[in-house]
Amino acid sequence: NTVMTQSPTSMFTSVGDRVTMSCKASQNVGINVGWYQQKTGQSPKRLIYWASNRDTGVPDRFTGSGSGTDFTLTISNMQAEDPAIYYCLQHNSYPYTFGAGTKLELK
Amino acid sequence: EVQLVESGGGLVKPGSSLKLSCVASGFTFSSYGMHWIRQAPKKGLEWIALIYYDSSNKYYADSVKGRFTISRDNSKNTLYLEMNSLRSEDTAMYYCAKGPHWGQGTLVTVSS
Repeated sequence: NTVMTQSPTSMFTSVGDRVTMSCKASQNVGINVGWYQQKTGQSPKRLIYWASNRDTGVPDRFTGSGSGTDFTLTISNMQAEDPAIYYCLQHNSYPYTFGAGTKLELK
Repeated sequence: EVQLVESGGGLVKPGSSLKLSCVASGFTFSSYGMHWIRQAPKKGLEWIALIYYDSSNKYYADSVKGRFTISRDNSKNTLYLEMNSLRSEDTAMYYCAKGPHWGQGTLVTVSS
Protein backbone atom coordinates (compact mmCIF):
# COMPACT_ATOMS: atom_id res chain seq x y z
CA ASN A 1 0.00 0.00 0.00
CA THR A 2 1.09 3.57 -0.63
CA VAL A 3 2.13 5.40 2.52
CA MET A 4 1.64 9.17 2.60
CA THR A 5 3.99 10.93 5.01
CA GLN A 6 3.10 14.46 6.00
CA SER A 7 5.41 17.00 7.61
CA PRO A 8 5.54 18.79 9.86
CA THR A 9 3.11 17.12 12.26
CA SER A 10 2.18 20.54 13.62
CA MET A 11 3.15 24.13 13.20
CA PHE A 12 2.42 27.54 14.64
CA THR A 13 2.04 30.52 12.36
CA SER A 14 0.92 34.12 12.42
CA VAL A 15 -1.67 35.93 10.35
CA GLY A 16 -0.03 37.05 7.13
CA ASP A 17 2.63 34.32 7.13
CA ARG A 18 3.40 32.10 4.18
CA VAL A 19 2.87 28.48 5.23
CA THR A 20 4.22 25.39 3.48
CA MET A 21 3.48 21.78 4.34
CA SER A 22 4.69 18.62 2.70
CA CYS A 23 3.28 15.24 1.72
CA LYS A 24 5.58 12.48 0.46
CA ALA A 25 4.32 9.29 -1.15
CA SER A 26 6.11 5.97 -0.73
CA GLN A 27 5.74 5.34 -4.46
CA ASN A 28 4.92 7.30 -7.57
CA VAL A 29 1.30 8.48 -7.45
CA GLY A 30 1.44 10.82 -10.44
CA ILE A 31 -0.78 13.80 -9.73
CA ASN A 32 -3.46 11.72 -8.03
CA VAL A 33 -3.38 13.68 -4.80
CA GLY A 34 -5.92 15.79 -3.00
CA TRP A 35 -5.63 18.12 -0.02
CA TYR A 36 -8.31 18.37 2.66
CA GLN A 37 -8.91 20.88 5.43
CA GLN A 38 -10.67 19.84 8.64
CA LYS A 39 -11.57 22.49 11.18
CA THR A 40 -12.46 21.50 14.72
CA GLY A 41 -15.86 19.85 14.93
CA GLN A 42 -16.43 19.92 11.17
CA SER A 43 -16.37 17.46 8.30
CA PRO A 44 -13.29 17.62 6.09
CA LYS A 45 -13.42 19.88 3.06
CA ARG A 46 -11.46 19.28 -0.10
CA LEU A 47 -9.29 22.22 -1.14
CA ILE A 48 -7.17 20.81 -3.96
CA TYR A 49 -7.63 17.97 -6.47
CA TRP A 50 -5.25 16.47 -9.03
CA ALA A 51 -2.37 17.93 -6.95
CA SER A 52 -2.80 21.52 -8.07
CA ASN A 53 -6.43 22.29 -8.95
CA ARG A 54 -8.35 24.45 -6.52
CA ASP A 55 -11.92 23.40 -5.72
CA THR A 56 -14.73 25.86 -6.36
CA GLY A 57 -14.83 28.60 -3.78
CA VAL A 58 -11.39 27.88 -2.31
CA PRO A 59 -9.44 31.13 -1.83
CA ASP A 60 -6.48 31.56 -4.14
CA ARG A 61 -4.11 31.82 -1.20
CA PHE A 62 -4.24 27.99 -1.16
CA THR A 63 -1.91 26.44 -3.75
CA GLY A 64 -1.09 22.81 -4.34
CA SER A 65 1.95 21.61 -6.26
CA GLY A 66 3.99 18.53 -6.96
CA SER A 67 3.90 15.24 -8.80
CA GLY A 68 5.31 11.76 -8.45
CA THR A 69 6.22 11.41 -4.79
CA ASP A 70 6.53 14.97 -3.47
CA PHE A 71 3.62 17.30 -2.89
CA THR A 72 3.22 20.66 -1.21
CA LEU A 73 0.32 22.73 0.06
CA THR A 74 1.09 26.42 0.43
CA ILE A 75 -1.00 29.09 2.11
CA SER A 76 0.38 32.37 0.80
CA ASN A 77 -1.12 34.70 3.38
CA MET A 78 -2.32 32.93 6.53
CA GLN A 79 -5.72 34.10 7.70
CA ALA A 80 -7.45 33.81 11.07
CA GLU A 81 -9.90 31.25 9.63
CA ASP A 82 -7.20 28.89 8.34
CA PRO A 83 -6.19 27.01 11.54
CA ALA A 84 -7.13 23.39 10.92
CA ILE A 85 -5.69 19.96 10.28
CA TYR A 86 -4.66 19.48 6.67
CA TYR A 87 -4.59 16.01 5.13
CA CYS A 88 -3.29 14.74 1.82
CA LEU A 89 -4.90 11.77 0.07
CA GLN A 90 -3.52 9.61 -2.73
CA HIS A 91 -6.07 8.13 -5.14
CA ASN A 92 -3.63 6.57 -7.57
CA SER A 93 -3.98 3.01 -6.34
CA TYR A 94 -6.19 0.99 -4.03
CA PRO A 95 -6.49 1.23 -1.16
CA TYR A 96 -6.56 5.00 -1.19
CA THR A 97 -4.53 6.37 1.70
CA PHE A 98 -4.45 9.58 3.72
CA GLY A 99 -1.47 11.17 5.37
CA ALA A 100 -1.58 11.56 9.15
CA GLY A 101 -2.20 15.29 8.86
CA THR A 102 -0.49 18.58 9.62
CA LYS A 103 -2.06 20.62 12.42
CA LEU A 104 -1.83 24.32 11.73
CA GLU A 105 -2.31 26.73 14.64
CA LEU A 106 -1.99 30.44 15.22
CA LYS A 107 0.60 31.77 17.61
CA GLU B 1 -26.76 22.02 -3.79
CA VAL B 2 -25.09 18.69 -3.12
CA GLN B 3 -26.19 17.11 0.13
CA LEU B 4 -25.06 13.85 1.71
CA VAL B 5 -26.83 12.72 4.86
CA GLU B 6 -25.56 9.71 6.77
CA SER B 7 -27.55 7.72 9.30
CA GLY B 8 -27.60 4.39 11.08
CA GLY B 9 -24.80 4.85 13.58
CA GLY B 10 -25.09 3.93 17.22
CA LEU B 11 -23.69 1.97 20.14
CA VAL B 12 -23.19 -1.73 19.46
CA LYS B 13 -21.37 -4.61 21.11
CA PRO B 14 -18.22 -6.22 19.70
CA GLY B 15 -19.05 -8.90 17.17
CA SER B 16 -22.34 -7.36 16.16
CA SER B 17 -23.49 -5.85 12.85
CA LEU B 18 -24.69 -2.45 11.72
CA LYS B 19 -25.78 -0.95 8.41
CA LEU B 20 -25.12 2.69 7.59
CA SER B 21 -26.97 4.71 4.97
CA CYS B 22 -26.12 7.87 3.06
CA VAL B 23 -28.88 9.66 1.19
CA ALA B 24 -27.66 11.87 -1.63
CA SER B 25 -29.33 14.84 -3.31
CA GLY B 26 -28.42 17.72 -5.58
CA PHE B 27 -26.62 15.69 -8.23
CA THR B 28 -27.15 12.67 -10.47
CA PHE B 29 -26.28 10.00 -7.93
CA SER B 30 -26.27 7.18 -10.47
CA SER B 31 -23.40 8.82 -12.40
CA TYR B 32 -20.79 8.97 -9.63
CA GLY B 33 -18.61 6.69 -7.59
CA MET B 34 -19.06 7.05 -3.85
CA HIS B 35 -16.76 6.61 -0.88
CA TRP B 36 -16.92 5.79 2.81
CA ILE B 37 -14.25 7.34 5.01
CA ARG B 38 -13.96 7.11 8.76
CA GLN B 39 -12.26 8.95 11.59
CA ALA B 40 -11.63 7.38 14.97
CA PRO B 41 -11.92 9.75 17.96
CA LYS B 42 -9.07 12.28 17.92
CA LYS B 43 -7.40 10.39 15.04
CA GLY B 44 -6.83 11.02 11.36
CA LEU B 45 -8.88 10.10 8.32
CA GLU B 46 -9.04 6.56 6.98
CA TRP B 47 -10.45 5.78 3.54
CA ILE B 48 -12.37 2.52 3.80
CA ALA B 49 -14.39 1.83 0.64
CA LEU B 50 -15.34 2.91 -2.87
CA ILE B 51 -18.16 1.76 -5.13
CA TYR B 52 -18.38 2.61 -8.81
CA TYR B 53 -21.41 4.45 -10.17
CA ASP B 54 -22.93 1.20 -11.46
CA SER B 55 -21.75 -1.07 -8.63
CA SER B 56 -19.46 -2.85 -11.10
CA ASN B 57 -16.41 -2.44 -8.89
CA LYS B 58 -15.88 -2.17 -5.17
CA TYR B 59 -12.66 -1.57 -3.28
CA TYR B 60 -11.85 -1.76 0.42
CA ALA B 61 -9.18 -0.89 2.93
CA ASP B 62 -7.35 -3.90 4.31
CA SER B 63 -8.70 -3.12 7.78
CA VAL B 64 -12.31 -3.78 6.74
CA LYS B 65 -12.00 -6.21 3.83
CA GLY B 66 -14.13 -9.29 4.37
CA ARG B 67 -16.15 -7.64 7.17
CA PHE B 68 -17.64 -4.55 5.53
CA THR B 69 -19.69 -4.38 2.32
CA ILE B 70 -20.36 -1.22 0.35
CA SER B 71 -23.47 -1.11 -1.83
CA ARG B 72 -25.85 1.36 -3.40
CA ASP B 73 -29.41 1.69 -4.63
CA ASN B 74 -29.45 4.21 -7.45
CA SER B 75 -33.27 4.21 -7.50
CA LYS B 76 -33.21 5.54 -3.94
CA ASN B 77 -30.11 7.77 -4.26
CA THR B 78 -28.69 5.87 -1.32
CA LEU B 79 -25.28 4.50 -0.44
CA TYR B 80 -24.86 1.79 2.19
CA LEU B 81 -22.14 0.32 4.36
CA GLU B 82 -22.91 -3.02 5.95
CA MET B 83 -20.54 -3.69 8.82
CA ASN B 84 -20.16 -7.15 10.35
CA SER B 85 -17.96 -8.58 13.11
CA LEU B 86 -17.51 -5.13 14.55
CA ARG B 87 -14.49 -4.47 16.76
CA SER B 88 -13.65 -1.73 19.22
CA GLU B 89 -11.21 -0.31 16.68
CA ASP B 90 -14.12 0.30 14.29
CA THR B 91 -15.35 3.03 16.64
CA ALA B 92 -15.35 6.17 14.52
CA MET B 93 -17.30 8.83 12.74
CA TYR B 94 -18.27 7.46 9.34
CA TYR B 95 -18.54 9.84 6.41
CA CYS B 96 -19.81 9.30 2.90
CA ALA B 97 -18.16 11.41 0.22
CA LYS B 98 -18.33 12.24 -3.47
CA GLY B 99 -15.55 14.39 -4.86
CA PRO B 100 -15.32 17.55 -2.76
CA HIS B 101 -18.57 16.85 -0.94
CA TRP B 102 -18.79 15.13 2.43
CA GLY B 103 -21.68 14.44 4.74
CA GLN B 104 -21.74 15.35 8.41
CA GLY B 105 -21.03 11.79 9.44
CA THR B 106 -22.67 9.20 11.65
CA LEU B 107 -20.99 7.96 14.82
CA VAL B 108 -20.44 4.26 15.40
CA THR B 109 -19.34 3.17 18.86
CA VAL B 110 -18.36 -0.45 19.43
CA SER B 111 -18.18 -1.24 23.12
CA SER B 112 -19.27 -3.91 25.55
